[in-house]
Amino acid sequence: EDKVVQSPLSLVVHEGDTVTLNCSYEVTNFRSLLWYKQEKKAPTFLFMLTSSGIEKKSGRLSSILDKKELFSILNITATQTGDSAIYLCAVGRRNYGGSQGNLIFGKGTKLSVKP
Amino acid sequence: NAGVTQTPKFRILKIGQSMTLQCAQDMNHNYMYWYRQDPGMGLKLIYYSVGAGITDKGEVPNGYNVSRSTTEDFPLRLELAAPSQTSVYFCASSTEGQSGANVLTFGAGSRLTVL
Repeated sequence: EDKVVQSPLSLVVHEGDTVTLNCSYEVTNFRSLLWYKQEKKAPTFLFMLTSSGIEKKSGRLSSILDKKELFSILNITATQTGDSAIYLCAVGRRNYGGSQGNLIFGKGTKLSVKP
Repeated sequence: NAGVTQTPKFRILKIGQSMTLQCAQDMNHNYMYWYRQDPGMGLKLIYYSVGAGITDKGEVPNGYNVSRSTTEDFPLRLELAAPSQTSVYFCASSTEGQSGANVLTFGAGSRLTVL
């Protein structure tokens, strides 16, 4: 069965720290890797990565994919209390079907940023 | 443009009752999904649909049913509610195509408690 594993499961840092969240995967027919941020409600989309080595960046957040080693990292620099959330990693597959559907989620990393 | 609309936001059910969670999207997305999220467990796929008239079971379909009579609507029915169905439910949709594939737009979620 395909799987996505995120680490750490939870993390507590202080404002201004830099954090790195990890996502490794074993997925057949890989198509894309996505990062979502979930605060109190629904997950919101951050990045989609399809090619190795190309960094995606949005403000203080950045992400990169390594398709050879089958992992991705999400970096957050100069963290703020508003970055406190669950960060979800998901891997999309090319061929739809089966009980896992075409998008497999990890369990998430809960980030808490203290003032 | 409302995106994905879920109702109700909160509901308390007694064991054995039935109910329907409503989901509608106005983005003309062909793919729709129902997930449940339990604490520390990530998102589990219940059912999904690749288009009107087509539905497939996800990882945890037992105790649920869906229908997709239109592109816009994808209701989730709980028959004979059980305490194990206490969870937060998310409806989501996406479009096909390389640029948009796997990028889910989520509804705000429905918190269901079965007592």
